[in-house]
Amino acid sequence: RKEVEQDPGPFNVPEGATVAFNCTYSNSASQSFFWYRQDCRKEPKLLMSVYSSGNEDGRFTAQLNRASQYISLLIRDSKLSDSATYLCVVSAYSGAGSYQLTFGKGTKLSVIP
Amino acid sequence: EAQVTQNPRYLITVTGKKLTVTCSQNMNHEYMSWYRQDPGLGLRQIYYSMNVEVTDKGDVPEGYKVSRKEKRNFPLILESPSPNQTSLYFCASSETATGELFFGEGSRLTVL
Repeated sequence: RKEVEQDPGPFNVPEGATVAFNCTYSNSASQSFFWYRQDCRKEPKLLMSVYSSGNEDGRFTAQLNRASQYISLLIRDSKLSDSATYLCVVSAYSGAGSYQLTFGKGTKLSVIP
Repeated sequence: EAQVTQNPRYLITVTGKKLTVTCSQNMNHEYMSWYRQDPGLGLRQIYYSMNVEVTDKGDVPEGYKVSRKEKRNFPLILESPSPNQTSLYFCASSETATGELFFGEGSRLTVL
């Protein structure tokens, strides 16, 4: 079974802190990688895609390490509004033109005043 | 406004009473999928569809059916619901299977 593993947390950090989440995946044929954010009782929303070269969007930086099969998300200068659950998502080709999406169970972040 | 619409948003039903959760998207997306989310288990894929008339099983398809007769609609059918299908269900769509997923607001189903 193809797995995506995340530390469930919760991560409780003060405002302004830097926090990092890791996610490991077992399927070496995985091709696309994403971080989604899910607020309590709401639907997940794309935070950012993760590219081999790494990518940054404001305070958020995502990295991919294919050799070690993990992706990371770094949040700098945490805001109260960053409090949410962060989901790691991996897509892999499953044959016959189909792709299988696998979600991690999520890492809960609470930013404290 | 681009969106994925699920109905009903909340439903309480009894064991064995067939129900359908509708899902519609207005973005002309080819890929659509259904997930259930349970505490401690995260989001698990039930079924997905790469295009019209093409559906495939996800990780937890037992007890569910889907159809994709039109591009915009992807209903989830529970022929004979059981209490272990009590869950929060999300429908999602994407331009491609590897692109950004757009989720509906979720349907909270309780089976007594």
